[in-house]
Amino acid sequence: EVQLVQSGAELKKPGESLRISCEASGYTFTSDWISWVRQKPGKGLEWMGTTDPSDSYVKYGPSFQGRVTISSDESRSTVYLQWSSLQASDSATYYCARQGTDCGGECLDHWGQGTLVTVSS
Amino acid sequence: SSELTQPPSVSVSPGQTANITCTGDALSRRYAYWYRQRPGQAPVMVIYKDTERASGTPVRFSASNSGTSVTLTINGVQAEDEADYYCQSAGSDGTLFGGGTKLTVL
Repeated sequence: EVQLVQSGAELKKPGESLRISCEASGYTFTSDWISWVRQKPGKGLEWMGTTDPSDSYVKYGPSFQGRVTISSDESRSTVYLQWSSLQASDSATYYCARQGTDCGGECLDHWGQGTLVTVSS
Repeated sequence: SSELTQPPSVSVSPGQTANITCTGDALSRRYAYWYRQRPGQAPVMVIYKDTERASGTPVRFSASNSGTSVTLTINGVQAEDEADYYCQSAGSDGTLFGGGTKLTVL
């Protein structure tokens, strides 16, 4: 069974750094790309970027280039999303999702449970 | 255009048919996908490659594509179908999401 298990909720202050994780299991980690998706409270889904775990290639969405860093660790079957300096506007739930090969990598066929990030002074 | 547009809300009574549309230029070139998100839960894919039901999706869910517009149809709506629905496609800059449609079952 494909599973994406994300790290727990975080409460941080503005200016602090943060890395959240997404551990994949139930399939070959390097076979499928993994995306990160942001959802602010009461708002819609925003695609942030994606990574190919087989070679660590990363593509960022235009709104997130330079704002976050996506990385992966094949030895841990884990993908990361990190910030160097959080802002209050980064408060949101963040989802990782696998880009399924059954749809040529275009769809997000399995999702993590989400990580709530709250940034407040 | 790199946008997908959905109506903010759709309301139907139980047993009726709900139609949720999604429009955008990208849909004429790439497949559409639909996700259901219940309150407090992660999204779940319900339709892939325009019209295919994802594993576990009830047969009352169907979808169609007519160029730059796609429609998700739910026949015989049930209370459990109340959720937010998002369309998704692929654009030149990456994955695109529609703004989401809140389906209310009256």
